[in-house]
Amino acid sequence: EAQVTQNPRYLITVTGKKLTVTCSQNMNHEYMSWYRQDPGLGLRQIYYSMNVEVTDKGDVPEGYKVSRKEKRNFPLILESPSPNQTSLYFCASRPTGTGSEAFFGQGTRLTVV
Amino acid sequence: QKEVEQNSGPLSVPEGAIASLNCTYSDRGSQSFFWYRQYSGKSPELIMFIYSNGDKEDGRFTAQLNKASQYVSLLIRDSQPSDSATYLCAVKGSGNDMRFGAGTRLTVKP
Repeated sequence: EAQVTQNPRYLITVTGKKLTVTCSQNMNHEYMSWYRQDPGLGLRQIYYSMNVEVTDKGDVPEGYKVSRKEKRNFPLILESPSPNQTSLYFCASRPTGTGSEAFFGQGTRLTVV
Repeated sequence: QKEVEQNSGPLSVPEGAIASLNCTYSDRGSQSFFWYRQYSGKSPELIMFIYSNGDKEDGRFTAQLNKASQYVSLLIRDSQPSDSATYLCAVKGSGNDMRFGAGTRLTVKP
């Protein structure tokens, strides 16, 4: 089954404790991206990657890191999480030749206390 | 700042009616336009995309694009209670960025 898989689905952590949210897709998509979704603000792009070893900042990259060492994986790293990073996070991937992220992961609800 | 604007709603329509959802965008270089449906607690699901001015129909859904007015809309005919969700408008600019509106919450009442 074609899918984008995020882990964990839910996470509660404390301020300053490094964490990683994993994202993996099995569709051989080149383009992958991370979004956060907050009430009233919609989906805001954090980082995206056009291909292996190619990443770029989205609208809200501060406090986040990403890496793209393999085509299928695109982890999101919070080196020192803060309460304002409490949000719902989505990973997405799309095939080349189309203009959109057609496939989203299930989402990760992160709470930083 | 490139913006995508939607009325947050909620928009309430009776079952069987036409629901009309609107979106405006600020980047004149935008090339691709998308509508996603998102049920509460779930991930967004792509339902329509449109690249050219005019209408595009897919079943009960019609997307309309007017690049001169920087306006894109989604019509849902014969609305069903199962259409109750938040609808996100997304715009891809001339670069690789993808911007989403905050979404319009639609409620279809039986």
